[in-house]
Amino acid sequence: GAGVSQSPSNKVTEKGKDVELRCDPISGHTALYWYRQSLGQGLEFLIYFQGNSAPDKSGLPSDRFSAERTGGSVSTLTIQRTQQEDSAVYLCASSLPPGNTEAFFGQGTRLTVV
Amino acid sequence: GDSVTQMEGPVTLSEEAFLTINCTYTATGYPSLFWYVQYPGEGLQLLLKATKADDKGSNKGFEATYRKETTSFHLEKGSVQVSDSAVYFCALNRGSSNTGKLIFGQGTTLQVKP
Repeated sequence: GAGVSQSPSNKVTEKGKDVELRCDPISGHTALYWYRQSLGQGLEFLIYFQGNSAPDKSGLPSDRFSAERTGGSVSTLTIQRTQQEDSAVYLCASSLPPGNTEAFFGQGTRLTVV
Repeated sequence: GDSVTQMEGPVTLSEEAFLTINCTYTATGYPSLFWYVQYPGEGLQLLLKATKADDKGSNKGFEATYRKETTSFHLEKGSVQVSDSAVYFCALNRGSSNTGKLIFGQGTTLQVKP
């Protein structure tokens, strides 16, 4: 596609439920990133994929959070047993092999845990 | 660890006023520096970047100079427009030597009044 696509754009879930957030990167972009944007915390790095592997998962806040990427393309971020503090906008970005290349961001998924 | 600090907002200016948004960083080595902008209802977009000391990034009338001696990358524009109203994020990464992970500042909201 023309840009990074994320779905759903909005998700409201009950506390304790699992959620899956999807990211479809720009075709040909081998690097993919997940970030979280929340009030008071700013933009936090969660995980980085190069192809299908994740050499940097250092930002995942707990073992309730996991992510995978298949076919070097689509990525899914899964949050198990959601908590209210998981409420945030989850942003996905992709780029050519990392370094000084520009990262292109999707519009994000706004997650609200009630 | 690496970090970015930017001035707190919101910043409110009249149209055609001069803009400065301060950004300082802490990082080992020689990071690359970026300004991203998030317009209302849109995703993050790269505004400008600089990859080495004394480089000046510029785009859409905005400028920022990579000052290693003061570890700063302040954003400036000589004459702001209403359409510049957005949230501005300063960020760094380690350049070609790392994963491309971005470390962001907290963001500064700019509101320009006609």
